[in-house]
Amino acid sequence: AQRVTQPEKLLSVFKGAPVELKCNYSYSGSPELFWYVQYSRQRLQLLLRHISRESIKGFTADLNKGETSFHLKKPFAQEEDSAMYYCALRIGGGSYIPTFGRGTSLIVHP
Amino acid sequence: DAGVIQSPRHEVTEMGQEVTLRCKPISGHNSLFWYRQTMMRGLELLIYFNNNVPIDDSGMPEDRFSAKMPNASFSTLKIQPSEPRDSAVYFCASSSNRGQETQYFGPGTRLLVL
Repeated sequence: AQRVTQPEKLLSVFKGAPVELKCNYSYSGSPELFWYVQYSRQRLQLLLRHISRESIKGFTADLNKGETSFHLKKPFAQEEDSAMYYCALRIGGGSYIPTFGRGTSLIVHP
Repeated sequence: DAGVIQSPRHEVTEMGQEVTLRCKPISGHNSLFWYRQTMMRGLELLIYFNNNVPIDDSGMPEDRFSAKMPNASFSTLKIQPSEPRDSAVYFCASSSNRGQETQYFGPGTRLLVL
């Protein structure tokens, strides 16, 4: 079965520092990868998906099939980036149920 | 559109009581998901409905948990009897096109079982 691993429960950085939230997955096929974000007192929402290849709020994520990773990166963290981030994987073949990682809490200090 | 609506937003109950969580998906969405979020286990899928039919309920932890979707605009998640370890945030999400599209999450129900 597919699996998503986010090794860090908590990531703490200072404003302006680069940030990388790690996500590794286990699946032998070609999955769809997503990052979801949950800001304080707000609902969980999609941040970006790998097939879009876009940058959202300065965040980017590249799917590395060799390393089975989909790390989320931002060169200069902002205080408003503080949130809970979830990496998610979805496989095709009729199953559209995503598998979520356990989440990483990002705290950006002023 | 108000998005996915969940009620209540907070629920405090005593062990042994029945708890019913409610969800109204986005109009036109035909897939509905119930998730449970805890510090220890992160976000876990409990059950997935498509066109009001339960497709995958393998994530439902025990027989104490049950979910229904009587129509396209309403779903319930019931816990009977509730236990302290059920304390968590329960999210409902909906999407269109058999779940192929992006999921939209509700604000969640924070449940505390004493």
